[in-house]
Parts: sequence; structure tokens; C-alpha cells
Amino acid sequence: DAGVIQSPRHEVTEMGQEVTLRCKPISGHDYLFWYRQTMMRGLELLIYFNNNVPIDDSGMPEDRFSAKMPNASFSTLKIQPSEPRDSAVYFCASSPGTYPLEQYFGPGTRLTVT
Amino acid sequence: AQSVTQLDSQVPVFEEAPVELRCNYSSSVSVYLFWYVQYPNQGLQLLLKYLSGSTLVKGINGFEAEFNKSQTSFHLRKPSVHISDTAEYFCALIYSGTYKYIFGTGTRLKVLA
Repeated sequence: DAGVIQSPRHEVTEMGQEVTLRCKPISGHDYLFWYRQTMMRGLELLIYFNNNVPIDDSGMPEDRFSAKMPNASFSTLKIQPSEPRDSAVYFCASSPGTYPLEQYFGPGTRLTVT
Repeated sequence: AQSVTQLDSQVPVFEEAPVELRCNYSSSVSVYLFWYVQYPNQGLQLLLKYLSGSTLVKGINGFEAEFNKSQTSFHLRKPSVHISDTAEYFCALIYSGTYKYIFGTGTRLKVLA
């Protein structure tokens, strides 16, 4: 199994631009999580899905952030417009349905907004 | 509210020495506890987990952790560390009935030659 795949691995963009981060979870996993990691705030859960349905988006910082999961093998996290304070490493993780959930993390996308 | 506290932000230790990384949690309900490791420029991977039963849990790479309910702790230990153990270690919990992890702030373990 290839594990959780994220793209791009690095993204540098200018303030005000739209940014789209992509994630392919492990096949057969029912849960998908998006996290943000910064030095100041540590690892924060942004949103998670179960069977492609968003369950809890209380961690999404503002309306500029949106996430979708159109099918079981693909999810996106979009920031529009981006701001310098969005600079962070964004992780996607997936989990099988067995409770409690062990999460399998992707390698992350390092986002830099200038 | 549930929370996870990792008191040590950095722990330097010499190669082949023992190490303990501390984790304390706060919860009024049953929890499941985890330790994850993050190597440089990589995602997190599971080291070990405590679900129930024996309070001493063994994980990968020679790590183990002990669940202590009275002290609300879940400290991670390794009797002899290697240079390759240099990484950041995260303690996390899920409280019963939920699907959201609560992560600690992480402890950076630096193994010195």
C-alpha cells in the first residue's frame, strides 16, 4: 500500500491567491482528517470526514478555508484568499473504521504564503 | 475538558542512555491513549496505544509506555536510545465515544553521539 498521498509537498504562493491541497487516503479507510501544524499552535484538527461526509469542521479557522471529499479516494483543502498566517504544514490522515481510530498520516504539504 | 500535557519541549540524551518522555492528561471520562512519532519532514506514525487491559504497553522500535490512571499519566520510555530515535514525539488521546484526537504539544528528542 502506498500510504496516504498528499500533493503538492511544498507550495509557495502570494497573499491573496487561492491554494488547493490534495489528499488521497489509504484505500478502504472510512475516515479522513485534515490537520494544520505550526510552531505556535502545534497540531490542530481542522475537519474530518466519515464516508465522504464532513462530520466536524469546528476546527476550520475561517470561511476562507473549505474542504471537500467528492469520493472515497480524494479530498481537497482550499484556502481562498490565502494570508501569510496560513503558512504551516498541512497533514492529511486516514483511518479504518475500527474504533478507536488509529490514524495514518501523509507526509504533509508545507505551505508558505508571502 | 480533555487535555494532554507534555511538560518537556526538548529532551537531549546520549546514545545508549535510557529516556522517559512525560505525558499527563486530563479527562473526566474514559480515554484511549497514543504515542506518535514524527521524523523530520515526515508525517506522524503510531508508536503504541493503550486501549484497555495491561497498563504496560509495548510498541515499535523498543518503546514502551505505562498507563497510570491514578496519576493520569502515560509516560513513554526506552531503555537504550539510538541516534535514529531523534524525532518529535506526540502524546494523544481520544475520549470514549468521539473520533477526534487531542494532541499534546510534542517533545523533541535529540539523541547525542
